[in-house]
Amino acid sequence: GAVVSQHPSRVICKSGTSVKIECRSLDFQATTMFWYRQFPKQSLMLMATSNEGSKATYEQGVEKDKFLINHASLTLSTLTVTSAHPEDSSFYICSARRANTDTQYFGPGTRLTVL
Amino acid sequence: AQKVTQAQTEISVVEKEDVTLDCVYETRDTTYYLFWYKQPPSGELVFLIRRNSFDEQNEISGRYSWNFQKSTSSFNFTITASQVVDSAVYFCALSETKAAGNKLTFGGGTRVLVKP
Repeated sequence: GAVVSQHPSRVICKSGTSVKIECRSLDFQATTMFWYRQFPKQSLMLMATSNEGSKATYEQGVEKDKFLINHASLTLSTLTVTSAHPEDSSFYICSARRANTDTQYFGPGTRLTVL
Repeated sequence: AQKVTQAQTEISVVEKEDVTLDCVYETRDTTYYLFWYKQPPSGELVFLIRRNSFDEQNEISGRYSWNFQKSTSSFNFTITASQVVDSAVYFCALSETKAAGNKLTFGGGTRVLVKP
């Protein structure tokens, strides 16, 4: 199989705090991981592409200082939402691309609510 | 630029009816991949199929079937004899080439509601 986990699944935080979301590929190595954001009843929007051992590539309009991405190993990428505000409330989904394939496998998502 | 269009935002059917989801894409690449994912109410995206641009054979997997027509840039998905468990949002997606990082461009999704 190709299992991707995310932690936490749900988080509620106060405005101004930082939140870290972990994405792990459990049974395969992922040279590339992706972070998406999904608003209610909308499609997934790619935020950034994360390659192991190098800096993430952010999509246009995504603030790199706001959404810090670290991909320290072949099985773990983290997204930190810094100084979160209510408008950052969303469903964040990661995916991992298995090495030498073109298929992305998705995590279960993290629902972030900023009060 | 890559673009994926799913014209149907929502489809409602009664159990056992067939339902076809349309997907039309735009790309300048000659090599690309097309995908369908299912997103049930739980939120997790479930991979259904991957098709590369050189393989126009239609595919059937159980009650699911896919029709890829390069001439019309379409990759349609049919659920035969729908069941309540098929209720979900279905996304069609297009993958750029490796050189571009294999980024996925998603369509807007089609919400399928199967009523008992």
